[in-house]
Amino acid sequence: SQQGEEDPQALSIQEGENATMNCSYKTSINNLQWYRQNSGRGLVHLILIRSNEREKHSGRLRVTLDTSKKSSSLLITASRAADTASYFCATDATGAQKLVFGQGTRLTINP
Amino acid sequence: DVKVTQSSRYLVKRTGEKVFLECVQDMDHENMFWYRQDPGLGLRLIYFSYDVKMKEKGDIPEGYSVSREKKERFSLILESASTNQTSMYLCASSFTGLAYNSPLHFGNGTRLTVT
Repeated sequence: SQQGEEDPQALSIQEGENATMNCSYKTSINNLQWYRQNSGRGLVHLILIRSNEREKHSGRLRVTLDTSKKSSSLLITASRAADTASYFCATDATGAQKLVFGQGTRLTINP
Repeated sequence: DVKVTQSSRYLVKRTGEKVFLECVQDMDHENMFWYRQDPGLGLRLIYFSYDVKMKEKGDIPEGYSVSREKKERFSLILESASTNQTSMYLCASSFTGLAYNSPLHFGNGTRLTVT
């Protein structure tokens, strides 16, 4: 079964608005990563947040992690058309030497 | 920047053929991975390797094998291609150490169609 699950499955907003995507997972983790995938391409790493961190920023991206709720959120501020992509969270399971990906959130930014 | 190169963007093969998907990375990464991506199922790990000549099964290894003879190259082999192996195949690599502790660098994928 999937370790991480994103919510919503699809999100459509106007350019300039903020976009928030959520990820829930089942077992304790060492870290959580977020990736972006443009249509028909490979995934690109965005942010890695460790289990002892609560918030992390990178440019217009803000990631939070709540280990008590086993959830994370990715906020993209001041969205642009170029942000249109699918976004995935990936987690490890303690003791497992691999990342497991969720099914992703498909984000569409309307001009 | 790390570059992960997959040899083909699109591939069409017939049922029963032996298929080789090649992946090369240029950053001396120790860990390499093969995933397949299908609509509604997300990314699923097929095999991974944390060193030359080492391999570990992922979640869906059936029907696949891998080869890692050199550090920079990780090959995925479909021994006898079947239509249910039609998918997008993604190769990735990461720096040394525990696989989940560093970012994965992905290639652009190979879209394989088996007819």
